[in-house]
Formats: sequence, structure tokens, C-alpha cells
Amino acid sequence: DAEITQSPRHKIIETGRQVTLACHQTWNHNNMFWYRQDLGHGLRLIHYSYGVHDTNKGEVSDGYSVSRSNTEDLPLTLESAASSQTSVYFCASTKATGRNTEAFFGQGTRLTVV
Amino acid sequence: GENVEQHPSTLSVQEGDSAVIKCTYSDSASNYFPWYKQELGKRPQLIIDIRSNVGEKKDQRIAVTLNKTAKHFSLHITETQPEDSAVYFCAASRKSGGGADGLTFGKGTHLIIQP
Repeated sequence: DAEITQSPRHKIIETGRQVTLACHQTWNHNNMFWYRQDLGHGLRLIHYSYGVHDTNKGEVSDGYSVSRSNTEDLPLTLESAASSQTSVYFCASTKATGRNTEAFFGQGTRLTVV
Repeated sequence: GENVEQHPSTLSVQEGDSAVIKCTYSDSASNYFPWYKQELGKRPQLIIDIRSNVGEKKDQRIAVTLNKTAKHFSLHITETQPEDSAVYFCAASRKSGGGADGLTFGKGTHLIIQP
């Protein structure tokens, strides 16, 4: 079955370290998104991509970067992790059909910056 | 950008009663309004959505209504059951460049079904 998977599921890193969260989907969706979820804030958009080599900033993009070298993957990198980036991160994907369609979410990655 | 407000933040209802969650949005260009259910420790999952050319949509015990003029939409759950206990998120987005913009989410409603 087609799926969207994130790895790792849990990660603890030290402040100032770089970390990359992986997102892989097998639906061949063009659109991919990264959100962070924090208590009291819901889900907030970090970065998104409409296709290979396309990336766009979302509402809370500072301190994060993404790259899209193929259709299946959108890795999220924290160049120098800060405690404020402790959060649960969700990747999502949708088809590009000209109409808004259902977003399918990965299982989430719980990141703790100490 | 878009701003979505969601109320209440917590809602406790007796099993069998109805629950209503309300959201407002700010961007008149938004045309897609999904609702997601998230159980503890799980990923958000779509339960129902509505597009701006429709005023109401129903799927068994859940329904969504949309008032474009007032820029608000609501989720209605009838005959609530224990498995309805979860956090519910409303969201809004608009079409852009043939693809789908990211969703702007409300902050969530924790629905508690009392036995």
C-alpha cells in the first residue's frame, strides 16, 4: 500500500547540533509539507514543496530548511537546533490536481532539543 | 496570511448528545475547509471537508456547515460515542498555481465524551 513515513520517530539532540528529519511518500504526490505541532498552537506550516527543486517558506520557517531532489522525499533540516524547536513534526503530502485535496500525514517525529 | 480561530478549546459532552465546534477564518480567498481528528499519539486524519461552493456536507453522524459571508464553518457530531473523544482541528487553504497551499490550522478542540 502507498504510504507516507517519517524517520526517526523520536530524537534527542543537543542545542547547536544539526539534525535532519526524513519524510518519504510512495503516492507520487507532487505537494509535500512540513508542520510542527505544539500545545496551544495547533499545527503550523514550516516549509512546503510543489515538486522537484521547488521549496517555499511557511509561517514558521526560521531555523529550518528543506530540499526536494526527487518526488518521494522532503527532508527537513535544523541547521543549529534550539530548545524552541522541541516539538512534534509532521510531514504531509497531497496530489496536485488543481483542486485542494486531502492531506495525508506521516506518523510524526518527536524531537527534543536539550 | 490566513488566520483560523477555533472554539472552544475543550468541550465535554454526555455520550449520546451532540457536539459543535466552530471556526472562523480571515482570508476570503480560502476555498477549502477540512476537519481533522487526532487521537493521542497519532497522526491527524481527515474526517470531513467542504469546499466553498457548498454550504453543508454530511457523512453519517458528522456534518460541516460553511457560511462564506460570515467566514465561519462548524463541525457537528451527533449521537456522540466514546470513540469520538479526540482533538479536532479545523483548517483552511486556498488554491495556488494549480497545487494546494499548505493548510492553516485552528488550535484544536479537545472533545471529551462523558459516559
